[in-house]
Amino acid sequence: ILNVEQSPQSLHVQEGDSTNFTCSFPSSNFYALHWYRWETAKSPEALFVMTLNGDEKKKGRISATLNTKEGYSYLYIKGSQPEDSATYLCACNQAGTALIFGKGTTLSVSS
Amino acid sequence: DTAVSQTPKYLVTQMGNDKSIKCEQNLGHDTMYWYKQDSKKFLKIMFSYNNKELIINETVPNRFSPKSPDKAHLNLHINSLELGDSAVYFCASSQDWQGLYEQYFGPGTRLTVT
Repeated sequence: ILNVEQSPQSLHVQEGDSTNFTCSFPSSNFYALHWYRWETAKSPEALFVMTLNGDEKKKGRISATLNTKEGYSYLYIKGSQPEDSATYLCACNQAGTALIFGKGTTLSVSS
Repeated sequence: DTAVSQTPKYLVTQMGNDKSIKCEQNLGHDTMYWYKQDSKKFLKIMFSYNNKELIINETVPNRFSPKSPDKAHLNLHINSLELGDSAVYFCASSQDWQGLYEQYFGPGTRLTVT
């Protein structure tokens, strides 16, 4: 079974800080990687879907990169705001298999 | 309009009972999923359907039986409920089953078995 690891498990930053998290996965037979944002008492919402090595995607202050050869993806948040507080989930799969989710990184942003 | 809806939102029942959770999506997607969020808040895939056909069954006990009457609906029936079935169950949908498109999640159904 695919093992998707996310680090750190949680972190706390001040408003205005920039931060980043890591998602690690097996590089063999990689197919796609997803990032989701999951606020408390809500359901996960998609941020990015990435498939190609070297992919970089951006949505406002949030961006992500993908390295399929070494098996990792970074999610960056520039100038964190309190409303960025959430759990960020990474998920990936191999061809023909289900998406496997990591345990997430929980971000808390203080004003 | 809610894209992916689930009913009920909360379900409290006793061990041994049979219950169903319904899911509907109005996004025109071909693929629907059921996930279980365990006590550690870990999202684990249970089933995946594409165009009403089961394509992924991740070693879920036979007491769990999904049914997809059409592409827009994927219901989950659970027989002989056990304490360990208590969890939040999320339905999701996407344009394809291979992972090239994002998944849209429903609001979740919190099942409590007493």
